[in-house]
Amino acid sequence: VQLVESGGGLVQPGGSLRLSCAASGFTFSTYSMNWVRQAPGKGLEWLSYISSRSSSIYYADSVKGRFTVSRDNTKNSLYLQMNNLRVEDTAVYYCARDPWHPTTGHAFDIWGRGTMVTVSS
Amino acid sequence: IQLTQSPSSLSAPVGDRVTITCRASQGIGSYLVWYQQKLGKAPKLLIYAASTLQSGVPSRFSGSGSGTDFTLTISSLQPEDFATYYCQQLNSYPFTFGGGTKVEIK
Repeated sequence: VQLVESGGGLVQPGGSLRLSCAASGFTFSTYSMNWVRQAPGKGLEWLSYISSRSSSIYYADSVKGRFTVSRDNTKNSLYLQMNNLRVEDTAVYYCARDPWHPTTGHAFDIWGRGTMVTVSS
Repeated sequence: IQLTQSPSSLSAPVGDRVTITCRASQGIGSYLVWYQQKLGKAPKLLIYAASTLQSGVPSRFSGSGSGTDFTLTISSLQPEDFATYYCQQLNSYPFTFGGGTKVEIK
């Protein structure tokens, strides 16, 4: 069971990046997924949720209108399109699996290692 | 929903009993989880649904609480437990995290 993020890098303010998260070892199409980030030396910040069939999508206010989450269950992949990037978006970006259950609710049980995004001129 | 963790840091010797608290700004039922994060690593799920131990997590970790007040307890601190611990509410969007508690060696 593994998640591997990619697509991070250095981008100028106002620029765009697309992050990917490749899933393996489990039936990706049956799990909801999330994106979480962590700025250098700071705490965790939840960014976005997407349900298993993409029917429900939610965002943090800090990225709403700028970031778009999507998934391709045929490719076992999760994506985060990030536009109009700001210096404060500099962080490690993690994808996380969410094995939602009707009695216990959500939890992020599998995390990738993260990909670093640096927004700087 | 805001989550307030306390303390923000603590120093304790190996073998001590450690308790971390997490208070929610409004009721969240039992939809609270705890993570452990070691330096440079991804977070690891410890407890979900406020008190259910994730598979493979040592039994010295336990969680309790409901509504607005929650605790994570380490019954006997081990060298590998030195890390930062985060609570997260999953009752409603946005899924907010607490500020973290850094547990250090005394």
